[in-house]
Amino acid sequence: QKEVEQDPGPLSVPEGAIVSLNCTYSNSAFQYFMWYRQYSRKGPELLMYTYSSGNKEDGRFTAQVDKSSKYISLFIRDSQPSDSATYLCAIFQGAQKLVFGQGTRLTINP
Amino acid sequence: EPEVTQTPSHQVTQMGQEVILRCVPISNHLYFYWYRQILGQKVEFLVSFYNNEISEKSEIFDDQFSVERPDGSNFTLKIRSTKLEDSAMYFCASSPGQAAIDFYEQYFGPGTRLTVT
Repeated sequence: QKEVEQDPGPLSVPEGAIVSLNCTYSNSAFQYFMWYRQYSRKGPELLMYTYSSGNKEDGRFTAQVDKSSKYISLFIRDSQPSDSATYLCAIFQGAQKLVFGQGTRLTINP
Repeated sequence: EPEVTQTPSHQVTQMGQEVILRCVPISNHLYFYWYRQILGQKVEFLVSFYNNEISEKSEIFDDQFSVERPDGSNFTLKIRSTKLEDSAMYFCASSPGQAAIDFYEQYFGPGTRLTVT
């Protein structure tokens, strides 16, 4: 079973829509859940991370963890064309290692 | 805003040759990492480095790979004898590490695209 699974998309939505990006993970021991954004031919950029269960909000972005179902989500409100990128979920394994999902390619259409 | 830098942006090499990929982590960060991303695949962890030694490595990071912090600012990844399957984007990352929570904030560089022919 893969540690982190993410639908690669692509996902295309109109500007202003609410976007929901999701991942599942396999090991209930994982505690830290990260979201990165990656523009074409660039390195991953840390958006936000959450510890254990619950929500975390940062501007238009909300990260949510449901440990009972091993499900992590990123919501983008009022989506903008500049949000078009690949979004990577990741879990922290052990002390220092990030394990990434496949990434979901998102396009926001003006 | 401080950022991780990497050179070169693109490296082309022949199979069997040695390559060195260079990174300058964010100043005052203590933990350094290399990841790679083969085209169309996931970003994969290679190695983490702290206090001048490897703290964790993946099964990908075999004897052909080595890392070094030759001075106070650079962090390098060496591949001794490149293979075709080493073609990938290689990302360097760093994290502050001064507090326990800092490990979780890994900041990535723009990557070096390695092409092995």
